[in-house]
Amino acid sequence: DTGVSQDPRHKITKRGQNVTFRCDPISEHNRLYWYRQTLGQGPEFLTYFQNEAQLEKSRLLSDRFSAERPKGSFSTLEIQRTEQGDSAMYLCASSSDRGLEKLFFGSGTQLSVL
Amino acid sequence: AQSVTQPDIHITVSEGASLELRCNYSYGATPYLFWYVQSPGQGLQLLLKYFSGDTLVQGIKGFEAEFKRSQSSFNLRKPSVHWSDAAEYFCAVVGATNKLIFGTGTLLAVQP
Repeated sequence: DTGVSQDPRHKITKRGQNVTFRCDPISEHNRLYWYRQTLGQGPEFLTYFQNEAQLEKSRLLSDRFSAERPKGSFSTLEIQRTEQGDSAMYLCASSSDRGLEKLFFGSGTQLSVL
Repeated sequence: AQSVTQPDIHITVSEGASLELRCNYSYGATPYLFWYVQSPGQGLQLLLKYFSGDTLVQGIKGFEAEFKRSQSSFNLRKPSVHWSDAAEYFCAVVGATNKLIFGTGTLLAVQP
């Protein structure tokens, strides 16, 4: 059990560029969550997968954001045409069928949009 | 709507002193409550959780929390703080839509 892995740890990009983040959950976990955390705030829910199905999306997830989880394993979060307001820590978390009772977080990807 | 309030943005305590971090929630039904800790550059680690039963919950690293329905509170306590406890602490509640809703966090500094 290597925990939840996120790649890259840091990403600096220019406004208008596209970025993609990857999350590898704990191998037997079928539930995967994406959260966004801005400075001075707690994490905010973005989206949730059960296996390969994206079951819920927050209103925070604009049309420029897309998340996938092909084959129910790793997940990617893509942001198109980045804006300075997208600068944040993007956290991934996974759990088994026990759901939120036992949620494991990755170390996050820190995005800076210049 | 469900919400969590952590009134203290920043707290400083001396090493060896006791600690209490405040958390108030807003939720009509019986809440599921959590405390997480986040060290710089790290993800969140679960300290403890309350789902039902005994209102005094023991967690990892010597932390405990007490659920008080009458005060809508779930304060985190530790009798003797260690320098390694310096971190940011988040209280969270599971809302009606089965999602974690986090407070804004309390940043703990520990003086030698």
